Amino acid sequence: GAVVSQHPSWVICKSGTSVKIECRSLDFQATTMFWYRQFPKQSLMLMATSNEGSKATYEQGVEKDKFLINHASLTLSTLTVTSAHPEDSSFYICSARDDRGRRSYEQYFGPGTRLTVT
Amino acid sequence: DAKTTQPNSMESNEEEPVHLPCNHSTISGTDYIHWYRQLPSQGPEYVIHGLTSNVNNRMASLAIAEDRKSSTLILHRATLRDAAVYYCILRPNTGFQKLVFGTGTRLLVSP
Repeated sequence: GAVVSQHPSWVICKSGTSVKIECRSLDFQATTMFWYRQFPKQSLMLMATSNEGSKATYEQGVEKDKFLINHASLTLSTLTVTSAHPEDSSFYICSARDDRGRRSYEQYFGPGTRLTVT
Repeated sequence: DAKTTQPNSMESNEEEPVHLPCNHSTISGTDYIHWYRQLPSQGPEYVIHGLTSNVNNRMASLAIAEDRKSSTLILHRATLRDAAVYYCILRPNTGFQKLVFGTGTRLLVSP
């Protein structure tokens, strides 16, 4: 149990286009999901906290108009990278916490989405 | 966010114990100590967590110093599959409980 999936697993897009990444909790409900970005050989950087039914909370320095987050249901959060540029190329990872589970202290991470902007 | 300090890398031989240290001198009384690990090209996975007492689970043991300013993750018998980046994270017991990752320790395991 407690599986988080991401789609797509990898995507290549042209500069100036937008890309949507989905994060789903497959067997549990999550009112809160988190989005991270990871550049090669670096650690994960928290981008934003996604809240079901309300606006996301962005970390300092993250452009909310560029990284649109929608948490429309208890099992789905989406991250849209708008007007992507090569510097947005990165590994995007989401995580979620099982609000009602016995292991509510644990965050479950998705497998990540590798975005390459050409 | 309270910070943690870990060595950049450590090496181990297969089937030997591994002790991964973490310093967190600014830890507050309600911060939990969490360990996650990230295998290559994957999302992180939970390893273990604790507050004050030492903890054991099927993956590892966590030894917490009496003053809580440091902790050690112990892998009792390293395998090649344990090669990963190990992150020590302080998680506040309030709020959204977001995880802020530090630089972590890259563990290399040799056969």
